[in-house]
Amino acid sequence: EAQVTQNPRYLITVTGKKLTVTCSQNMNHEYMSWYRQDPGLGLRQIYYSMNVEVTDKGDVPEGYKVSRKEKRNFPLILESPSPNQTSLYFCAVAGTSGGELFFGEGSRLTVL
Amino acid sequence: TQLLEQSPQFLSIQEGENLTVYCNSSSVFSSLQWYRQEPGEGPVLLVTVVTGGEVKKLKRLTFQFGDARKDSSLHITAAQTGDTGLYLCAGASNYQLIWGAGTKLIIKP
Repeated sequence: EAQVTQNPRYLITVTGKKLTVTCSQNMNHEYMSWYRQDPGLGLRQIYYSMNVEVTDKGDVPEGYKVSRKEKRNFPLILESPSPNQTSLYFCAVAGTSGGELFFGEGSRLTVL
Repeated sequence: TQLLEQSPQFLSIQEGENLTVYCNSSSVFSSLQWYRQEPGEGPVLLVTVVTGGEVKKLKRLTFQFGDARKDSSLHITAAQTGDTGLYLCAGASNYQLIWGAGTKLIIKP
């Protein structure tokens, strides 16, 4: 079964405490992306990766880092989280850039 | 900056009624995707339209891509409570997706 797995699903943390949200896919797709979803703002792309070791900024990259050391994993790193990063985060995978996206179940992050 | 304006943002109707959701842009897209998202889950693709003027049907859902490939609509006939959810459109341009803000649809029994 094709899967995009995110962890953790829920996290409450405090300002400044580094955290990582993991994303793993079993579809052997090259394209992976991170989005945040906020009420009234829709989905906004944070970072994306066209392939291993290739990452690019999306629309809202400030305060985030990513890495793509292997094809199946694309972790999202918040080095020093702030309350404005409280959001619902989605990892998404596609066979090609601009193609159908397969989303993970989401990670709800609260930064106090 | 490319924009994809989706309307309405919120719609609450009775079961059995018809409705239409619109996505409009001044930009041309190579294709347009429609997703549906339920609470606690990620969006799931419903359909992709590629050709200008294309119409696709998925049971009671009808999707149309504008002739100029700048706009699209989703029409639901005889809505059911199971249609409740967030509907998102996304236009493909330069190998990236431009997202609409979403339409929150509530179907009341």
